Amino acid sequence: GESVGLHLPTLSVQEGDNSIINCAYSNSASDYFIWYKQESGKGPQFIIDIRSNMDKRQGQRVTVLLNKTVKHLSLQIAATQPGDSAVYFCAENSGSGGSNYKLTFGKGTLLTVNP
Amino acid sequence: NAGVMQNPRHLVRRRGQEARLRCSPMKGHSHVYWYRQLPEEGLKFMVYLQKENIIDESGMPKERFSAEFPKEGPSILRIQQVVRGDSAAYFCASSPPWTVYNEQFFGPGTRLTVL
Repeated sequence: GESVGLHLPTLSVQEGDNSIINCAYSNSASDYFIWYKQESGKGPQFIIDIRSNMDKRQGQRVTVLLNKTVKHLSLQIAATQPGDSAVYFCAENSGSGGSNYKLTFGKGTLLTVNP
Repeated sequence: NAGVMQNPRHLVRRRGQEARLRCSPMKGHSHVYWYRQLPEEGLKFMVYLQKENIIDESGMPKERFSAEFPKEGPSILRIQQVVRGDSAAYFCASSPPWTVYNEQFFGPGTRLTVL
């Protein structure tokens, strides 16, 4: 079936460095993507989203890049801080068949920021 | 503006008992979603509800699981005759009725442990 997956299960960076978390998706009909941050014992927290008619979107210290040709999504975090340590999930919304409410999540990447 | 609220945060049940999980969506949100997360896994869609209606329960096991979102009060996810395999974190999300692209806001989750 269709799936969303991640290239790297873990990522360790030094405080102040930039982080890049990658995600591959297989459903070419997906038209909306979200990155969530989940800290231990908490629910997923919305970080940033992007629609399929865009290839880049920037937020505060975060940038999401979408490459539809290779079905790849990435999250870039600038000047990573210890508070950024968490599991990061990409999620896709296929928007097809009237079921545009259903988010499909990848497994997650654990980001560890070393002081 | 309070976020999505879930209770209890932790629930311990013995095999065969019933588990009842509650979710209050954000103010103004009339769409509720339930997801299940196993350890070190991404979230898996279970059910999507609007007030007094189940829109899609395709991700929910057909036996022992049920969900409702009454006109008044929180949404309830009910698991009857729990088994050890039901141990997981259950997250509720909500969204407003006017979104075309589906940004879902998550609650803190209920961690169910079946002994």
